[in-house]
Amino acid sequence: EPEVTQTPSHQVTQMGQEVILRCVPISNHLYFYWYRQILGQKVEFLVSFYNNEISEKSEIFDDQFSVERPDGSNFTLKIRSTKLEDSAMYFCASSETRRGGQTQYFGPGTRLLVL
Amino acid sequence: TQLLEQSPQFLSIQEGENLTVYCNSSSVFSSLQWYRQEPGEGPVLLVTVVTGGEVKKLKRLTFQFGDARKDSSLHITAAQPGDTGLYLCAGVRGSNYKLTFGKGTLLTVNP
Repeated sequence: EPEVTQTPSHQVTQMGQEVILRCVPISNHLYFYWYRQILGQKVEFLVSFYNNEISEKSEIFDDQFSVERPDGSNFTLKIRSTKLEDSAMYFCASSETRRGGQTQYFGPGTRLLVL
Repeated sequence: TQLLEQSPQFLSIQEGENLTVYCNSSSVFSSLQWYRQEPGEGPVLLVTVVTGGEVKKLKRLTFQFGDARKDSSLHITAAQPGDTGLYLCAGVRGSNYKLTFGKGTLLTVNP
């Protein structure tokens, strides 16, 4: 069964460093998303991406964040200068369409720890 | 104020019991999804409901979407220890792309 994959599974970085989180969405899906979940809190939307541009972003997704689809399979989230409060699980998701019943399938996540 | 309120927050029951968890909102959703999440893993989709009043069954799990598309419930019959996990509801409003999640119900089924 097709699934969303994410690498790395864990990432430890120093505050101020840049990190790139990688995702391979399900192959025939057209819409891509990043969410994050701070420990003990609910899953929060960061950004959605379609046709090589951002469709919607939350207030969390500030200038330190960027997304890219560098080739036909990968979808990346870059944090330019990490802060302690960026420590969280980051989930990539994809969906085939966004018509009613839009179902988003999630990857296993990348656990980011900023020291 | 939470857009999606899930209740109860925690539920601990014995194997074989039935249970219902709820997902409520004052807002209308164009679709609502239920996920199960294990510690340290991503949410795994259980079901998507779209039509008001819709009922979907997945083995011992029954999902219902409210007539007004503002609320949903998940009923588990004869719970088993393998049902233990965090159950999340998440909805899409209007033409937005994003899923809005509830905080989840942490279910523990004791053998």
